[in-house]
Amino acid sequence: ILNVEQSPQSLHVQEGDSTNFTCSFPSSNFYALHWYRWETAKSPEALFVMTLNGDEKKKGRISATLNTKEGYSYLYIKGSQPEDSATYLCALCPRGGSEKLVFGKGTKLTVNP
Amino acid sequence: GAGVSQSPRYKVAKRGQDVALRCDPISGHVSLFWYQQALGQGPEFLTYFQNEAQLDKSGLPSDRFFAERPEGSVSTLKIQRTQQEDSAVYLCASSLGFLAGLSAETQYFGPGTRLLVL
Repeated sequence: ILNVEQSPQSLHVQEGDSTNFTCSFPSSNFYALHWYRWETAKSPEALFVMTLNGDEKKKGRISATLNTKEGYSYLYIKGSQPEDSATYLCALCPRGGSEKLVFGKGTKLTVNP
Repeated sequence: GAGVSQSPRYKVAKRGQDVALRCDPISGHVSLFWYQQALGQGPEFLTYFQNEAQLDKSGLPSDRFFAERPEGSVSTLKIQRTQQEDSAVYLCASSLGFLAGLSAETQYFGPGTRLLVL
């Protein structure tokens, strides 16, 4: 069973601060790693899908990296804004099974104005 | 374009009641997933359809849970004789599926149904 750990569990930052959080996993036996942003009362929104060691993706002020050899992915937010407040979920699609995703518990980010 | 929709958004049920949760996936999406998110946890996989075929139901917690997708589009998750531990957010997601030739398809989520069993 692929275990996905996310840290920290929650994070409070001031508007304008840059921040990052971690998704770690014990094995690289997966097709892809996904990052989602989930705002309260809305649908989880797909941010990135990464498949290869060394992958780096960027979307505006948000970027992510993947290191399958050392078993982690980082999500970075540059110059946090209050609208970045959300829970950020990391998920893996394990090889050898259906297309299901295995999620971490998420990192809840609050950006104070 | 239209995303994944779910109904109802909120459901309060008395213990022992049956409930039915509906998911309308993105048109043309082959794969459909149900996840359950309990308080303080990440979403956990329940079941997966490829068109109308239920290919994986390994995550269904008991035989009180039943899912169907009879025409390969809309899906219903039914919970019989609800218990308090069934209280959770139930998320539905759809994707083009591995049939699209990619093994890293994005799953698109609905807003979820928040179920509270009293």
